[in-house]
Amino acid sequence: DAGVIQSPRHEVTEMGQEVTLRCKPISGHNSLFWYRQTMMRGLELLIYFNNNVPIDDSGMPEDRFSAKMPNASFSTLKIQPSEPRDSAVYFCASSLIRGRAFFGQGTRLTVV
Amino acid sequence: DQQVKQNSPSLSVQEGRISILNCDYTNSMFDYFLWYKKYPAEGPTFLISISSIKDKNEDGRFTVFLNKSAKHLSLHIVPSQPGDSAVYFCAATPNSGNTPLVFGKGTRLSVIA
Repeated sequence: DAGVIQSPRHEVTEMGQEVTLRCKPISGHNSLFWYRQTMMRGLELLIYFNNNVPIDDSGMPEDRFSAKMPNASFSTLKIQPSEPRDSAVYFCASSLIRGRAFFGQGTRLTVV
Repeated sequence: DQQVKQNSPSLSVQEGRISILNCDYTNSMFDYFLWYKKYPAEGPTFLISISSIKDKNEDGRFTVFLNKSAKHLSLHIVPSQPGDSAVYFCAATPNSGNTPLVFGKGTRLSVIA
């Protein structure tokens, strides 16, 4: 298996623009997680899905953030409009067994 | 409020010596603990885990110790190698289905040759 695949790897955008991050989980995994990594807060959970259903989005910082999982093999995280403070590395992870999450390589987002 | 705390942002160790990374947690519902390793420009990768029914788990050079009464766990790497230089994240999850991992902020380990 290719593992969790995220795209793009790097994204530079101007403040106010819409940003869409994409994730393909490992086939057969039934849970998907979006995390954000910053120096100040470390790895923080934004939202997670079980069987394509959003379970907890309390970590989403603002209404500017939204996530979807239209099917078992694809998820998106959208920021609209983007702001400089959204600059971070965003990770997608998937899991089947409790606790053992597999991470993608991340998307480094820079909002200027 | 951080439920998983790694109070040492960085650690430097000589090659061949022991590296000890520490982690504390506050949530009594946590019963499964993991360590992840992260190299620059890569995602975190699973290293080793321990269930609350155990107090030690060993995998090669890596050993995790759990002290439930103190809500403390530690990762020992013996002997440390330059390739172990990375950021190590402690994570925990409660026994309630496939719930997300709660991570600490990480400790950057540098193993000096």
